[in-house]
Formats: sequence, structure tokens, C-alpha cells
Amino acid sequence: GAVVSQHPSRVICKSGTSVKIECRSLDFQATTMFWYRQFPKQSLMLMATSNEGSKATYEQGVEKDKFLINHASLTLSTLTVTSAHPEDSSFYICSAGASDRDNEKLFFGSGTQLSVL
Amino acid sequence: GENVEQHPSTLSVQEGDSAVIKCTYSDSASNYFPWYKQELGKGPQLIIDIRSNVGEKKDQRIAVTLNKTAKHFSLHITETQPEDSAVYFCAAGGTGGFKTIFGAGTRLFVKA
Repeated sequence: GAVVSQHPSRVICKSGTSVKIECRSLDFQATTMFWYRQFPKQSLMLMATSNEGSKATYEQGVEKDKFLINHASLTLSTLTVTSAHPEDSSFYICSAGASDRDNEKLFFGSGTQLSVL
Repeated sequence: GENVEQHPSTLSVQEGDSAVIKCTYSDSASNYFPWYKQELGKGPQLIIDIRSNVGEKKDQRIAVTLNKTAKHFSLHITETQPEDSAVYFCAAGGTGGFKTIFGAGTRLFVKA
């Protein structure tokens, strides 16, 4: 299957700093990538849809100025958590749509565990 | 919008037994139904998927069935092994920019 690489896998930062998470499709081009947040023992909550070359589409309740998304190329999307606070601590996961019958099939990165002190 | 319900939330089986996880969806326009396995601290991994023009699909010990009329689909794992222990998510999505919606997840424990 298609490979999605996500880095870093774990990050610990001080409150008020910004953290950037990268999501790369290694062996395919992804015009659309998705960013999720997952709390312990819960399902994936879609935060935003990242489209190459255009602005991201954010889900209701997700602050776009807080979670900056950039999809500069067909293989890379980044999520920046700005001015992070302890309540932003969570597991963040990206996924990319593979070109298989209209991009319906999603492949996920390995996730990033963010801990804000 | 689409809503996906998944049951049970927790499932414990003896090694070698079968495990069944069931999901229902609400939007009849959904036409793609993947299943993901997530191990602790990792991202979800696609294990099997089915499209709405197919009623059943099998891949070794894993099978998925789909009932479009009733809007429900199920994951069947036979001859379970301890390494099958994980959280399983069902999802409903589709073509043309359909947003994939996930179920709440099922935590499967396979006891040796």
C-alpha cells in the first residue's frame, strides 16, 4: 500500500511555543491530505482538509489561526500548532488520499504525540 | 451529514475464536467502507475495504460484509490471534470529495 510518513513521532514543548508537524506521501501524489486529532480511547476527529495549492478547509470549532496548515506540494502538508497550550496536548494524525477511484482510499501517517508543558 | 455507529466498544475473545464488529451508517450516498486497525501509539492501518457494488469481500482471516438496504456493514476476523489485539475503526466515505466519517472504534482483546 501507499506510504505516508509523519514527523516527529513525539514532541514535548513549553507552553507558548509553536510546533510543526510534517506529513509526506512517499510513493504517491496526494492532492488532498487530512489532519485529525485523537484523544485517548476516542475516535479520530477530523480537524481540516488540506488541499495542494489552496487554503485548507477547517471543521467547525477548529481555530484556523491556531492550527496552521500548509500544503505546498503534492507530497507534503504541514500542521503548525501555534502558541501551544496544555489543552493542545493530543495525538495528531495525518492521512492522504491515494489516487484509487477518486481518492476515496486513505492512508495514515504514524501520528505525532504532542505534550505541552 | 453522515453518521457512523460502531458496536461493540470493547470485545474480548479467546485465541482461535471469531470476532465480529458491526457498523451502521446513515447517508445512503456513502459508497466506500474501509476498516482500519490501530495499535497503541500508531496511526490507523487500512486492513480491508469494500465498495457499495459488492456485498462481501474476504482477505485471508478477515472478511467484510455490506448490506446497502439496511445500511450496515460488518468486519469478521476468524481464528483470532493475540496480535489481532488492537482498536478497529469502521468508516464510511465515497467518491467525489466525500468526507470519510469514522466510527467510535472497537477495542479487541484476544486472550492467549
